[in-house]
Amino acid sequence: KAGVTQTPRYLIKTRGQQVTLSCSPISGHRSVSWYQQTPGQGLQFLFEYFSETQRNKGNFPGRFSGRQFSNSRSEMNVSTLELGDSALYLCASSLDGTSDQETQYFGPGTRLLVL
Amino acid sequence: AQKITQTQPGMFVQEKEAVTLDCTYDTSDPSYGLFWYKQPSSGEMIFLIYQGSYDQQNATEGRYSLNFQKARKSANLVISASQLGDSAMYFCAMRGNYQLIWGAGTKLIIKP
Repeated sequence: KAGVTQTPRYLIKTRGQQVTLSCSPISGHRSVSWYQQTPGQGLQFLFEYFSETQRNKGNFPGRFSGRQFSNSRSEMNVSTLELGDSALYLCASSLDGTSDQETQYFGPGTRLLVL
Repeated sequence: AQKITQTQPGMFVQEKEAVTLDCTYDTSDPSYGLFWYKQPSSGEMIFLIYQGSYDQQNATEGRYSLNFQKARKSANLVISASQLGDSAMYFCAMRGNYQLIWGAGTKLIIKP
């Protein structure tokens, strides 16, 4: 089975621009989660999607948004980029995300640099 | 609220030695799952091992094992016979409310 894929792998943007990141989950996985990782804040949960519905959202401003398509692929969007948005963005997938004992599998991440 | 604590920011270990990475957790849920992930410098988060709260035995996966002490709320990762390729960040995490709650991580460096 192919793993979780994320595109693009690297991205350089300037302040004020917007960016869209894409994630394709493992085949058969319907839950997709997004995390932001920075040296200062560590790993922080952004949001989780299942069947095109956002079930949970982390403590991020409204500039961060996401969606999921009927094939379980997901995108996240950051509008009006700020320098502090520079981070590694990780996408993870799992079967349905309902069990606290269900493993999440991660993609390689997208490294975003905002100048 | 659930919380994960990793108290070792960094560790140096000689190659071929065993290493224990500490993780304590806090939750009021009777059913929970604990996970360990490895993150090399490339950035990808690699799943290593899982321990369920109702599992009777400590989890093992190859050179990785979990020293699970439920009463102490600890789930320490043990890597036997460390290798140079084990140098990475290691994160302990717990599932809750459709997300993973993460510890701060431990940077492990294996010395030749």
